[in-house]
Amino acid sequence: RKEVEQDPGPFNVPEGATVAFNCTYSNSASQSFFWYRQDCRKEPKLLMSVYSSGNEDGRFTAQLNRASQYISLLIRDSKLSDSATYLCVVPLPRSGNTPLVFGKGTRLSVIA
Amino acid sequence: NAGVTQTPKFRVLKTGQSMTLLCAQDMNHEYMYWYRQDPGMGLRLIHYSVGEGTTAKGEVPDGYNVSRLKKQNFLLGLESAAPSQTSVYFCASSLQMGRSEAFFGQGTRLTVV
Repeated sequence: RKEVEQDPGPFNVPEGATVAFNCTYSNSASQSFFWYRQDCRKEPKLLMSVYSSGNEDGRFTAQLNRASQYISLLIRDSKLSDSATYLCVVPLPRSGNTPLVFGKGTRLSVIA
Repeated sequence: NAGVTQTPKFRVLKTGQSMTLLCAQDMNHEYMYWYRQDPGMGLRLIHYSVGEGTTAKGEVPDGYNVSRLKKQNFLLGLESAAPSQTSVYFCASSLQMGRSEAFFGQGTRLTVV
């Protein structure tokens, strides 16, 4: 299994829809997880952090399943402005040489 | 609030030329990183630093060198540019490694012809 894997999409959904992305990771020792958002031709920006079983912020919910080694991002009531690429980030334990491992991203397009 | 600033934002190099990308952060972060982003490849770590005077190799370090002479600056050098180094380069910094938000610069679009 690759260190961090994401479904590349694209996910094309209508406004108001609920959409979910999954991200699987290989290192069971990883303790914290992040979702970043990247707009076209822009830098990544933190969307949510996940340290325990999950986190919720408005329309966004992130969940962690340690047993199956995946995290998910759920977006409810999708807006046009949610169109972006969502990057799953899994920091590896200090002994590795890739302290922050990024998934390749899942592209979301919300359509009017 | 500048955050992380990269210079230049765009550059075109000829094969074999050298250049230095500058990253500056004003958040007093210990950890700084250089990534490259290519279509279909995602963000890949080139080099990183855990503090002033330290550097370490990441996933794709070949062809690049770095220096962290001052805590706030992290320089990425290309000694002899190759077309394979055409990419978007992002610098980032964080307070902790792996447990805190990483802040990114706006990126440098480099084309090597």
